[in-house]
Amino acid sequence: DTEVTQTPKHLVMGMTNKKSLKCEQHMGHRAMYWYKQKAKKPPELMFVYSYEKLSINESVPSRFSPECPNSSLLNLHLHALQPEDSALYLCASSQILGETQYFGPGTRLLVL
Amino acid sequence: AQKITQTQPGMFVQEKEAVTLDCTYDTSDPSYGLFWYKQPSSGEMIFLIYQGSYDQQNATEGRYSLNFQKARKSANLVISASQLGDSAMYFCAMKTGFQKLVFGTGTRLLVSP
Repeated sequence: DTEVTQTPKHLVMGMTNKKSLKCEQHMGHRAMYWYKQKAKKPPELMFVYSYEKLSINESVPSRFSPECPNSSLLNLHLHALQPEDSALYLCASSQILGETQYFGPGTRLLVL
Repeated sequence: AQKITQTQPGMFVQEKEAVTLDCTYDTSDPSYGLFWYKQPSSGEMIFLIYQGSYDQQNATEGRYSLNFQKARKSANLVISASQLGDSAMYFCAMKTGFQKLVFGTGTRLLVSP
């Protein structure tokens, strides 16, 4: 089973709101990733967790705050976002760092 | 530095025909992996096929095969017997070691009846 789930599927938020995106996998993978994808562009890596520790932060603004509460869950906390942060946010997981990444269905975020 | 190039912004193919999506890569690392992902309009990135740099044979997964030409640094995806459901964006990607996955700009495939 190569399933990664993400909630919510769609999210509309104002610039003063606080919201969270959730990602879950039950494949026993120990690496999890957040990507941001703008329309007609490839995904851009934001964060990588390996064994529940933040491994890579691609110089993402602090209004995005990742959290890995356990090996199956990955959250992305959003606060004071800008309209240009509107995008598809994809979560992925892999057995370990460097192995094949399996993606979730994504959350489409609109910031008004 | 790693780089992936997909030169075809869009491709058209008729149902039941084969299609090749081009991908060239550049890396100085002798050990690397090449991936193809499919992204339908729904947004999910679906893993299709993987080729390791030391693999002797071209990877195949059902109707998907990867035409790996190491000397030319190309890793083209071949889809045989195209189906309407194959219409999607296709991304070629590469990783070396524990480095991040580097994606190409993608090719949009449209399969017509």
